Amino acid sequence: EPEVTQTPSHQVTQMGQEVILRCVPISNHLYFYWYRQILGQKVEFLVSFYNNEISEKSEIFDDQFSVERPDGSNFTLKIRSTKLEDSAMYFCASSSESGAYEQYFGPGTRLTVT
Amino acid sequence: GDSVTQMEGPVTLSEEAFLTINCTYTATGYPSLFWYVQYPGEGLQLLLKATKADDKGSNKGFEATYRKETTSFHLEKGSVQVSDSAVYFCALTVTGGGNKLTFGTGTQLKVEL
Repeated sequence: EPEVTQTPSHQVTQMGQEVILRCVPISNHLYFYWYRQILGQKVEFLVSFYNNEISEKSEIFDDQFSVERPDGSNFTLKIRSTKLEDSAMYFCASSSESGAYEQYFGPGTRLTVT
Repeated sequence: GDSVTQMEGPVTLSEEAFLTINCTYTATGYPSLFWYVQYPGEGLQLLLKATKADDKGSNKGFEATYRKETTSFHLEKGSVQVSDSAVYFCALTVTGGGNKLTFGTGTQLKVEL
């Protein structure tokens, strides 16, 4: 069964450093997403991406964040200068259709900023 | 804005017990409702969904009914198994509001023998 993969599973970085979280969505999917979950809090939407551009972003997704689909398979989330409050589990997801269709999630990357 | 509220966990049950996890929502438009499940070390998986009022979503013995009058989508299962131990997330997406999912905080379920 096709699945979304994410690397690394755990990333530790120092405050102010740049991190890139990587995702490989399901191959025939067209819509891509990033969500995050701070420990003990809700899973929060960050950004959605379609047709090589951001289709929607949340207030959390400020200028420190960017997304890219550098080739036909990877989908990345870059945090330019990490802050302590960026520590969270980051989930990538993809879907084949828009609307009330299943989003397939990866296992997540745990980012720890020290 | 849109929001989802679900009961706090952990919920600990004996095998074969009846499960209810409460979920209520507020939405700016007409929502579709989902339950996602996360097993240890894995990503969130869609468990079931309902896209309009009075629809019942069901899968693997779990079911939930979209109740517009009470803005609820409670998850139920008649007889839980140890293998059902996981974290359960209620979520919504609003028609015409893009594809973003709005999640509740998740409820951890532990099923013991």
